[in-house]
Amino acid sequence: GAGVSQSPSNKVTEKGKDVELRCDPISGHTALYWYRQSLGQGLEFLIYFQGNSAPDKSGLPSDRFSAERTGGSVSTLTIQRTQQEDSAVYLCASSRTRAYNEQFFGPGTRLTVL
Amino acid sequence: GQQVMQIPQYQHVQEGEDFTTYCNSSTTLSNIQWYKQRPGGHPVFLIQLVKSGEVKKQKRLTFQFGEAKKNSSLHITATQTTDVGTYFCAASNSGYALNFGKGTSLLVTP
Repeated sequence: GAGVSQSPSNKVTEKGKDVELRCDPISGHTALYWYRQSLGQGLEFLIYFQGNSAPDKSGLPSDRFSAERTGGSVSTLTIQRTQQEDSAVYLCASSRTRAYNEQFFGPGTRLTVL
Repeated sequence: GQQVMQIPQYQHVQEGEDFTTYCNSSTTLSNIQWYKQRPGGHPVFLIQLVKSGEVKKQKRLTFQFGEAKKNSSLHITATQTTDVGTYFCAASNSGYALNFGKGTSLLVTP
């Protein structure tokens, strides 16, 4: 079956603009995660969705970041008033259930804020 | 959260040499997962360890989980150029998302 897909693959924006990043998880996967990876760095957890439960937003770095998941499937990560330090690869992952399960990662969206 | 530290940060070996990366935590871990990320790629799941003292093998890769469940290691025997990439360990945080270590980048020279 299809893996996790993300769009766009690359996004270049100007400082101060808003951006939306999209993630399509694997069909049937109830858990969805967003991570951020800066150049040469590890993965920084941003937000976690599990079914219809309230998301775990503890990793969001500021109130400029928000995410939603519609119908328990597609998720959108929104960054408002982008800053240069937001430049990174944003990775989405899904798993069949909550943690303790293999996470399948998408190819990521490379965000560049000029 | 369950923070994990990985060492070394980088490792450069000649093809055929062995390689080991270590993952350490100050707290007892529920489980630990290992991922590999090829240059320009995304993380790919390798394995999950759950039991104290667990050892699992995948061809030339050997994964261990410490008796106290506070550390783990990944050992590659006779490295090949296809092993190049960054290896991450990741631990669950109370059943939610994974806390990833900063990874060990492996470079293999033919």
